[in-house]
Amino acid sequence: SQQGEEDPQALSIQEGENATMNCSYKTSINNLQWYRQNSGRGLVHLILIRSNEREKHSGRLRVTLDTSKKSSSLLITASRAADTASYFCATSRSGNTGKLIFGQGTTLQVKP
Amino acid sequence: DAGVIQSPRHEVTEMGQEVTLRCKPISGHDYLFWYRQTMMRGLELLIYFNNNVPIDDSGMPEDRFSAKMPNASFSTLKIQPSEPRDSAVYFCASSKGQLADTQYFGPGTRLTVL
Repeated sequence: SQQGEEDPQALSIQEGENATMNCSYKTSINNLQWYRQNSGRGLVHLILIRSNEREKHSGRLRVTLDTSKKSSSLLITASRAADTASYFCATSRSGNTGKLIFGQGTTLQVKP
Repeated sequence: DAGVIQSPRHEVTEMGQEVTLRCKPISGHDYLFWYRQTMMRGLELLIYFNNNVPIDDSGMPEDRFSAKMPNASFSTLKIQPSEPRDSAVYFCASSKGQLADTQYFGPGTRLTVL
């Protein structure tokens, strides 16, 4: 079954607004990663947060991890039209080979 | 570095034909992954290699699919015979060091089987 599930499936906002995407997973993890995919392109790594971390920042990105709730959120502040893409969370399960399992993604549209 | 290189970028073939997808990982990366992405099933891991050795091929859909990595700088994914349901975007990715580390994706091969 799917390890990571993103919510919402689609999100449309105006430029300058913040965008929040959530990811839930089912089993214990080593780490959780967020990737972005622009239309017709490969996935690009955004940020990795380990199971012993609660929050991480990278530029306009903020990721939180709540292992008790088995959930993570990705916040993009002051969004830009160029942020329009699909965003995927990927989990590395602990006690496993550690391969990444990707969720179905959230499609973000930022209107100029 | 040029990043992960995949060829061809687009492939259109007829049912029953053999298809070979190619990947050149980033130099120095120990792990190589093959994924398939469709609207219905999302991104699925097909197989991954560590130091050119196949480690987990549990995601390979059936015997029609095979993958090889003859050296550290080249891998192929072959489908023989191809079927319309194999139509998808196939991604190759590589990573360095720990298995669950950051993965770097290629641009993908869009396969259409008629």
